Amino acid sequence: TQLLEQSPQFLSIQEGENLTVYCNSSSVFSSLQWYRQEPGEGPVLLVTVVTGGEVKKLKRLTFQFGDARKDSSLHITAAQPGDTGLYLCAGRSGTYKYIFGTGTRLKVLA
Amino acid sequence: ETGVTQTPRHLVMGMTNKKSLKCEQHLGHNAMYWYKQSAKKPLELMFVYSLEERVENNSVPSRFSPECPNSSHLFLHLHTLQPEDSALYLCASSQDLAGATDTQYFGPGTRLTVL
Repeated sequence: TQLLEQSPQFLSIQEGENLTVYCNSSSVFSSLQWYRQEPGEGPVLLVTVVTGGEVKKLKRLTFQFGDARKDSSLHITAAQPGDTGLYLCAGRSGTYKYIFGTGTRLKVLA
Repeated sequence: ETGVTQTPRHLVMGMTNKKSLKCEQHLGHNAMYWYKQSAKKPLELMFVYSLEERVENNSVPSRFSPECPNSSHLFLHLHTLQPEDSALYLCASSQDLAGATDTQYFGPGTRLTVL
């Protein structure tokens, strides 16, 4: 069974701080996605990484796919209250299936 | 607003009831999905439809019955559910199944409580 473990599970930080969320697996994925989910809403795609070692930046968010395509990280610089939410990684398994991670619940305090 | 709507947003039902969840996508997509999101488990894929044909039934109990009458609508029919079926049920759609970077657009979900 493919599993994606995210750490930390919960994170509460002050506005302006930096943070990193990790997504780890023993399985290789052909691509990996990061989502953010806010209360009362479905997950919204932030980024897709495909190539091992790939780094993508989305404003203050930096995503990295591990060289072996088994892990990924999300780094947020100068976090803001609007970054609050549940962050999910999802690894592509097969043609269309995504295995979702256990989630990291982030709260940024003003 | 992602272009995927779900109704109802909240549902409380007894174990002997029959109810249906509805999903509609306004994006012209060909693939639709049902996911289950429980409090203590990762988001789980339940069913996948492509061009109205079911392509995945991820070992889901028969008390959940999907229906896809056309590429814009997806239903999940529920009967004789158990309390452990209480969860957020999410619908998603994507342009097609294939493609490593295919984007799934999720609806807001139906919060189901089984008493």
